[in-house]
Amino acid sequence: DAGITQSPRHKVTETGTPVTLRCHQTENHRYMYWYRQDPGHGLRLIHYSYGVKDTDKGEVSDGYSVSRSKTEDFLLTLESATSSQTSVYFCAIRGAVNEKLFFGSGTQLSVL
Amino acid sequence: SQQGEEDPQALSIQEGENATMNCSYKTSINNLQWYRQNSGRGLVHLILIRSNEREKHSGRLRVTLDTSKKSSSLLITASRAADTASYFCATALASGSRLTFGEGTQLTVNP
Repeated sequence: DAGITQSPRHKVTETGTPVTLRCHQTENHRYMYWYRQDPGHGLRLIHYSYGVKDTDKGEVSDGYSVSRSKTEDFLLTLESATSSQTSVYFCAIRGAVNEKLFFGSGTQLSVL
Repeated sequence: SQQGEEDPQALSIQEGENATMNCSYKTSINNLQWYRQNSGRGLVHLILIRSNEREKHSGRLRVTLDTSKKSSSLLITASRAADTASYFCATALASGSRLTFGEGTQLTVNP
């Protein structure tokens, strides 16, 4: 398995609080991605990174920010959590464009 | 809307039968990939087919790609109960570094 770890695995938080999810990789891959998975929507891209300090928005980026200060870490922050952000969040990595993704185990986030 | 859309949404078969899932997409792609997800787990890559390829095999998996129809199919032969999972297609556009997923097909293989 690719060396990719997401933390925490589960989190319950209250509406209006900030939340940070962490993705850590040991593969030295250039590309890192954050997806959310919801019933009826499949996986939707939130943000992605193509290098240290290089990030771009995905299709559902509103209410989320990301940071990548080191190759191995990609942080996803919900600036002020809302109930609509209750979801399963997956981090993924890959070494080059147009190659396969390796996924983490996911973070189940519940916003009450 | 999603770039890739799978059909059917759900499929239930008996062990030993073949399972076919289809994926349609809208714009030109560099490659199309299939992933599998067991309940409560992350996605696992199954197979990648490039836009200049028409068919690819990996074990019991056969993937076809028809770029003129903008569609792909995943065939799992001689299915097993352990193949029960959700299967997703994902498309990589020619120009970018994003991978866009469909909503998936839930496959149930009954023993």
